[in-house]
Amino acid sequence: KNEVEQSPQNLTAQEGEFITINCSYSVGISALHWLQQHPGGGIVSLFMLSSGKKKHGRLIATINIQEKHSSLHITASHPRDSAVYICAVSLGSQGNLIFGKGTKLSVKP
Amino acid sequence: NAGVTQTPKFRILKIGQSMTLQCTQDMNHNYMYWYRQDPGMGLKLIYYSVGAGITDKGEVPNGYNVSRSTTEDFPLRLELAAPSQTSVYFCASSPLGTQYFGPGTRLTVL
Repeated sequence: KNEVEQSPQNLTAQEGEFITINCSYSVGISALHWLQQHPGGGIVSLFMLSSGKKKHGRLIATINIQEKHSSLHITASHPRDSAVYICAVSLGSQGNLIFGKGTKLSVKP
Repeated sequence: NAGVTQTPKFRILKIGQSMTLQCTQDMNHNYMYWYRQDPGMGLKLIYYSVGAGITDKGEVPNGYNVSRSTTEDFPLRLELAAPSQTSVYFCASSPLGTQYFGPGTRLTVL
């Protein structure tokens, strides 16, 4: 059974800090997803990646397939980045996802 | 495009009652999914569909049923509500790859 582990569970940062959230998984995957869940509950997909690195604005996602590990980085963090960040992996061809429990990020002004 | 819409937003059910959670997408995606999210836990897949007329069980299907008669709609049916089904339910659609989530339905069973 594939497990998806995220660390840390909770993270508090000061505005402007560089943030890293980690995700590890236990079996081979077809893709890894990073999602953001807003305080109001809505879920938005940030990245889907199967190798290397992707960047969108201040967000960077990396994946190391050999080590079964991914990181989500936020540069120059801002209070509006406060949310739960969720890592998920897809194993097969139907796109079914297995989710981590999420990392709750709070950025203080 | 409205994206993925879900109704209702909130619902309180009594034990043993039935209800249908509605999910509609206007992006012509073949793949649709139902998840539940319990406090402190990751989302769990209930049912999924790879196209109209085709559905399959996910990780936690017991107590639920689905149908997919059109590409747009993927309703989730609870037949005999139980307190264990108190949760937030999310529907998602995908062209296979990135998933697009609805706003969720918060269900309480008392």
